Amino acid sequence: EAQVTQNPRYLITVTGKKLTVTCSQNMNHEYMSWYRQDPGLGLRQIYYSMNVEVTDKGDVPEGYKVSRKEKRNFPLILESPSPNQTSLYFCASSLRLAGYQETQYFGPGTRLLVL
Amino acid sequence: GENVEQHPSTLSVQEGDSAVIKCTYSDSASNYFPWYKQELGKRPQLIIDIRSNVGEKKDQRIAVTLNKTAKHFSLHITETQPEDSAVYFCAASQPFSSGSARQLTFGSGTQLTVLP
Repeated sequence: EAQVTQNPRYLITVTGKKLTVTCSQNMNHEYMSWYRQDPGLGLRQIYYSMNVEVTDKGDVPEGYKVSRKEKRNFPLILESPSPNQTSLYFCASSLRLAGYQETQYFGPGTRLLVL
Repeated sequence: GENVEQHPSTLSVQEGDSAVIKCTYSDSASNYFPWYKQELGKRPQLIIDIRSNVGEKKDQRIAVTLNKTAKHFSLHITETQPEDSAVYFCAASQPFSSGSARQLTFGSGTQLTVLP
């Protein structure tokens, strides 16, 4: 089954404790992205990756890191989480067709609470 | 960068009526406009999209219209049903071939409630 998976689905942590949220897709998609969703603000892009070893900042990258060592995986790293990073996080992936964005498939989401 | 504004933020309609959600975008280079539906506690899922070379697209009860001159696009849902109740997001994207940021910029969402 074609899908995007994220782990963990729920996470409670404390300020300053490094954490990683994993994202994996089995559709051989080139493009992967991380979003955070906050009430009234919609989905805001954190980082995206056009392909292996190619990443770039989205709208709200501060406090986050990413890596793309393999095509299928795109982990999100919070080196020193703070309470303002409490949010619902979505990973997404898509094919990359020349000239157009392609349908993005979202993972199930990770709800993060930073105390 | 791109800025997408979405209205209204909440919308209640009677079952069977139509619902219209409107979005405007700022960057004339944007050429792909998807709409996502997010049910409570679930992930966003694409329901329809339109590319800039098309003015209107329809899929059963759902249609999207695009006015590139005015830089706005709209989602139309006809014969609404209770299962249409969800948050709907519009988005705009620039082509990958451009040198600027290649990303989907989302609107802030519309909570649609269909009353039985």
